[in-house]
Parts: sequence; C-alpha cells; structure tokens
Amino acid sequence: GAVVSQHPSWVICKSGTSVKIECRSLDFQATTMFWYRQFPKQSLMLMATSNEGSKATYEQGVEKDKFLINHASLTLSTLTVTSAHPEDSSFYICSATPGFEAFFGQGTRLTVV
Amino acid sequence: GQQLNQSPQSMFIQEGEDVSMNCTSSSIFNTWLWYKQDPGEGPVLLIALYKAGELTSNGRLTAQFGITRKDSFLNISASIPSDVGIYFCAGQLNNFNKFYFGSGTKLNVKP
Repeated sequence: GAVVSQHPSWVICKSGTSVKIECRSLDFQATTMFWYRQFPKQSLMLMATSNEGSKATYEQGVEKDKFLINHASLTLSTLTVTSAHPEDSSFYICSATPGFEAFFGQGTRLTVV
Repeated sequence: GQQLNQSPQSMFIQEGEDVSMNCTSSSIFNTWLWYKQDPGEGPVLLIALYKAGELTSNGRLTAQFGITRKDSFLNISASIPSDVGIYFCAGQLNNFNKFYFGSGTKLNVKP
C-alpha cells in the first residue's frame, strides 16, 4: 500500500506553546489529506480535511484557530496546535488517499504539561 | 458526522476460533474499508470493498460489502495471538470524500 509518514511520533510541550505535526505522502501525491484525533480506547474523530492550495475544511466543533492546517504541497500537510493546553493532549493521526483507499500515518502522541 | 455502529465492542476468544464483526450505517456508502490498529500506531488497511455484495479475502480475513450498501462485516478465521488489536470499519459516502469510522472492536485472543 501507499506510504504516509507522520512526524514526530511523540512530543511533549509546555502549556501555552505551539506544536507542529507533519504528514507526508512518500510515494504519491495527495491533493487531500485528513487529520484525526483519537482519545484512549475511542475511535478516530475526523477533525479536518486538508486541501492542497486552499483552506482546510473543519468538522463541526473543531476550532480552526486552535488547529491550524497548512497543505503547502502535494506531499505535505501540517497541523499546528496553537497555545496548547493539557486538554489538547491526544493521539493525532493523518491520512491520505491516493485512490479510493485511505492510508494512515503512524500517529503523533501529544502530551501537554 | 455520520454514525457507524460497529459491533461487538470487544471479544475474548480462544486461539483457533473464528471471529465475526460488523458495521451498520443509516447512510449509503460507496466504499467500505476495514482497518486494524495496534496500540500507539496508526490504523493499517486490511481490506477495501467497492461494490455492493462484494466479498473480498485477504489471507484469513474475509469482508463483505452489504447489498444495501449500509453495512459490512469482517470475518477472521482460525485466529492467532497476533490478531489481537482493535479493528475499525470505515465508510466513504462519495468517492474521494472523507471517511467515517466505526467505534472499533477490540479483539483478544487467548493462546
């Protein structure tokens, strides 16, 4: 299957700082990527759709000013958690679809202290 | 967002037993996917289904796209300890559109 790489795998940051997570499609171009959030023992919750060259589309209830998404190229989307707080601690996962199937990155464990 | 009802929520089985789990939705999906997720990892695609009635196998795994396009099931035959993990179904409403995930089925296999 297609390869999606996410970086970093885990990050610990202080409350009030911002954290950037990268999602790269390594062997295909992705005009669209998706960002999910997953709480322990729960399913993946779609946060937003990242669109190359245009604004991201956010799901209802997701703060776009809190979770900044940039899709600057066909192989890279970034999610920046701004002014992070402990309640933002979670597992963040990106996915991309080279065709009809979605492939996922390894996920990023964010811990805000 | 869309609601996908996945069941069972968890299963405890003996090694060698067969397993079945399913997802249902109130919406019609164009694509159904089944994933497995290990702790601390992203989901890994197991099987993709594109047509109503389609039955697809991947080794010991078999999945079907329901005729109504509102449901799908995944079977695992002759389970082994490495099958342990959380299995998610995902549905796509329209081609190249976002996917919605079921709540997951946690599988435990006792050697």
